[in-house]
Amino acid sequence: GDSVTQMEGPVTLSEEAFLTINCTYTATGYPSLFWYVQYPGEGLQLLLKATKADDKGSNKGFEATYRKETTSFHLEKGSVQVSDSAVYFCALYNNNDMRFGAGTRLTVKP
Amino acid sequence: EAQVTQNPRYLITVTGKKLTVTCSQNMNHEYMSWYRQDPGLGLRQIYYSMNVEVTDKGDVPEGYKVSRKEKRNFPLILESPSPNQTSLYFCASSLSLRDRARYEQYFGPGTRLTVT
Repeated sequence: GDSVTQMEGPVTLSEEAFLTINCTYTATGYPSLFWYVQYPGEGLQLLLKATKADDKGSNKGFEATYRKETTSFHLEKGSVQVSDSAVYFCALYNNNDMRFGAGTRLTVKP
Repeated sequence: EAQVTQNPRYLITVTGKKLTVTCSQNMNHEYMSWYRQDPGLGLRQIYYSMNVEVTDKGDVPEGYKVSRKEKRNFPLILESPSPNQTSLYFCASSLSLRDRARYEQYFGPGTRLTVT
C-alpha cells in the first residue's frame, strides 16, 4: 500500500538557520502531497500542498516541490524562527486514502 | 469561525468503563475521520465516514465504534477501553474526497486519553 517516510527527528536549529526535512513516498498513480504542522497542544494544520508533479507548494516561507522522479516532497525554509518550533508531518492523498509520515519535531533556539 | 471541535480535551479513565469522545464540524463537510497519534507512528486512521450513515474501518479499528447520524457529528465510542488505547486522538473533516485538487483535511484540537 501507499506510504510516507520522513526523516527522523528531533531536529534542533538556531534561529535563521536553513531547514530541510526530507520526505519520500511510495504510491501508485498520482497522489497529492501535503505538509501539515502541529504546534504544541494543537491539532494539525495544513502548511502547504502540491497536487501534481513539479508543483511547488509554499506558505509562511516554507516550500516543497513535488518530485515524481525521486518520489520526494522535501520541506525547506531559508531562515527559521523560534515560532517555527513544531512537529511537521508529510502526508499523501491517493485513491480516497490519506497516509501520514511519523512526524519530525523541530526545535528552533534563539 | 470554521472549525472542528472535540470533547473532552483530556480524559483519564479506567479499563472497561465505556466512554465517548464527541466531534463536531460546522463546515458542512461530507467526510469525517478519526485518527490516533502515537510516538514514532504518526497518525493512524481508526474509522472514517464518507457521509451520513456511511462509515468504514481505517487501519486500526479494533476496540472502537463510530456513528454518523448527522452530517456535523461523528462520535468515537470505546465500549471497553484498555490501556493500549491510551493515545492522542484527532477528529478531522474535509469537504469531499472527490475533488483531489481541493482536498484538505481540517483537524480538531485533539483528545488526550489515558486508560489505567
